[in-house]
Amino acid sequence: DVKVTQSSRYLVKRTGEKVFLECVQDMDHENMFWYRQDPGLGLRLIYFSYDVKMKEKGDIPEGYSVSREKKERFSLILESASTNQTSMYLCASSLWGDNQPQHFGDGTRLSIL
Amino acid sequence: AQSVTQLGSHVSVSEGALVLLRCNYSSSVPPYLFWYVQYPNQGLQLLLKYTSAATLVKGINGFEAEFKKSETSFHLTKPSAHMSDAAEYFCAVRKAAGNKLTFGGGTRVLVKP
Repeated sequence: DVKVTQSSRYLVKRTGEKVFLECVQDMDHENMFWYRQDPGLGLRLIYFSYDVKMKEKGDIPEGYSVSREKKERFSLILESASTNQTSMYLCASSLWGDNQPQHFGDGTRLSIL
Repeated sequence: AQSVTQLGSHVSVSEGALVLLRCNYSSSVPPYLFWYVQYPNQGLQLLLKYTSAATLVKGINGFEAEFKKSETSFHLTKPSAHMSDAAEYFCAVRKAAGNKLTFGGGTRVLVKP
């Protein structure tokens, strides 16, 4: 079974802090993704990566950056956290290929105070 | 740009009744279509996927979906709802030439005893 592990289930940070969300997958998947989930908006793609050190912006990259130094690990960084970044963050991974499904972690619920 | 519309953000069904969740997509190329389920406090789990092999796709937990190109729809059904089906369901589309998914806004299913 594919395992996608997000480092924290719940996280509380303060406005202006630099926040790191970590994601690790154990199935040697090429692709990794970061989404945020908000009620009524579904999932929106922040960034994705198709290889080590490679990244592409998703639909809502503003205020975020990512790092992929190793194939199994994909980090999401909030450079200076703001209250409008309070959300559920989901990490996913997949094999390369159009019909390959994405496998999701359990999510990190982030609150910015 | 492709988009996905799920009609109805909340659906309430009685246990044993038909579950019907609607999904319409817009895409200028043949799409790959997915349905995911999210149980409380968990990530998304793949229910089924359409990849052009057959228009009627069977998934896990008794769910199935039918691809109708003329209607640009991919509705999800289950003949008889079970209490354990209470969850949020997401339809997603991937453009054939890309790796990114576009998600609908989600439909939360409530099952009444």
